[in-house]
Formats: sequence, structure tokens, C-alpha cells
Amino acid sequence: KAGVTQTPRYLIKTRGQQVTLSCSPISGHRSVSWYQQTPGQGLQFLFEYFSETQRNKGNFPGRFSGRQFSNSRSEMNVSTLELGDSALYLCASSSGGQNQETQYFGPGTRLLVL
Amino acid sequence: AQTVTQSQPEMSVQEAETVTLSCTYDTSESDYYLFWYKQPPSRQMILVIRQEAYKQQNATENRFSVNFQKAAKSFSLKISDSQLGDAAMYFCAYRVFYNNNDMRFGAGTRLTVKP
Repeated sequence: KAGVTQTPRYLIKTRGQQVTLSCSPISGHRSVSWYQQTPGQGLQFLFEYFSETQRNKGNFPGRFSGRQFSNSRSEMNVSTLELGDSALYLCASSSGGQNQETQYFGPGTRLLVL
Repeated sequence: AQTVTQSQPEMSVQEAETVTLSCTYDTSESDYYLFWYKQPPSRQMILVIRQEAYKQQNATENRFSVNFQKAAKSFSLKISDSQLGDAAMYFCAYRVFYNNNDMRFGAGTRLTVKP
């Protein structure tokens, strides 16, 4: 099976712009979670989608949003970018079932906000 | 709230030797999962090992094993016969069995393997 893929891998934006990141989960996986990783804050949970519905949400401002499509692919959007949004954004997929809690991660999208 | 603590920001080990990475967590739940993930410099997070809290037997995956002490809320990772390719950031993570809660990660331990 192909692993989790994320596009783009690298992105440079300026303050005030918006950005959309994409994640394709492992085939058959219905849950997609997003994380922000920074040197200062470590790995922080953004949100999780399951069957096109947001199932969990972390403590991030409303500028961070996401969605999931019927094929389980997910997008994350950040509006009005700030310098502090520079980070590695990781996507992880799992089957979503109660006994299948293991998440498999993609390679990440490195976002730099100038 | 569940928290995960990795008290060793950095560790080093000589090639072929054994190293243990520490992890403690705080929870009031009885059913949960614990994980160790490895993140090499290439940045791809890789699952190393997983433990279900209801299983008393410690999980083992080849050279990787855990020491799970549920009462002490401790979940350490032992790497035997360390290899240069083991050099990475190691993250301990926790997830509740029910309610589909999010995964909580520790701050990570950077492991250096010396030839």
C-alpha cells in the first residue's frame, strides 16, 4: 500500500496570505489528523476528520480550518498567515476504528512565512 | 488533561550498545494506547512500537522493546544493538482508547549513535 502523501512538500508565503495543504491517506483509511510541529511548541494537534466530519479539534485559532472529501483526502487551510505559522505540518491517517488507533504519518509540508 | 513527559532531551549511545529512552504520562483513563515514533532527519515520522494499556505483556519489535509500568504510568523504550540508522528524534505518544481523542506527544528525545 502507498503511504500517506502530502503536497506540496515546501511552501513559502508572506504574511497575510492564505495557504492550502493537501493530504492523501493510506488507501482504506478514513481518519485524517493534522499536526503542527515547531521547535518551540513541539507537536501540536490541529484537528481530525473522519468520514468528512471534524471529529476532534485542537486549541488553534479559527484561521486554521480543514475539510475532508468523500475519498478521505483532506485539506488544511490557514488564512491570514502570521510569521508564527512557519512550521512543519504533518498529516496522519488511521483506519478510524476503535481498535485501530495507530496513526501513520506523511512526510510533512514545510511552510515558511516571510 | 493527558500529558506526556520525556525527561531526556538528548541521549547518546555507542553503536551496538543498548539505550533506554524514558517516558511518563498522566491520565485518569484505564484503556489507552501508547506509542513510540521515530523521526529521522528526513522528517518522516515512523511508528516504532505500540502498546495497548490492557495488555500486561511488554511489546517487542525486533531490537525495540518497551517497559510498560501501568501503575507508575511509565513507558520506556529500549533499543538493543544500536545502529547508526537509529539516530533520530524519538517521540512518545498517548491516545485514549475510547472517544477518539487526539494523540498527545512528548517533547521528544534526540538520540545520537556514535560509531
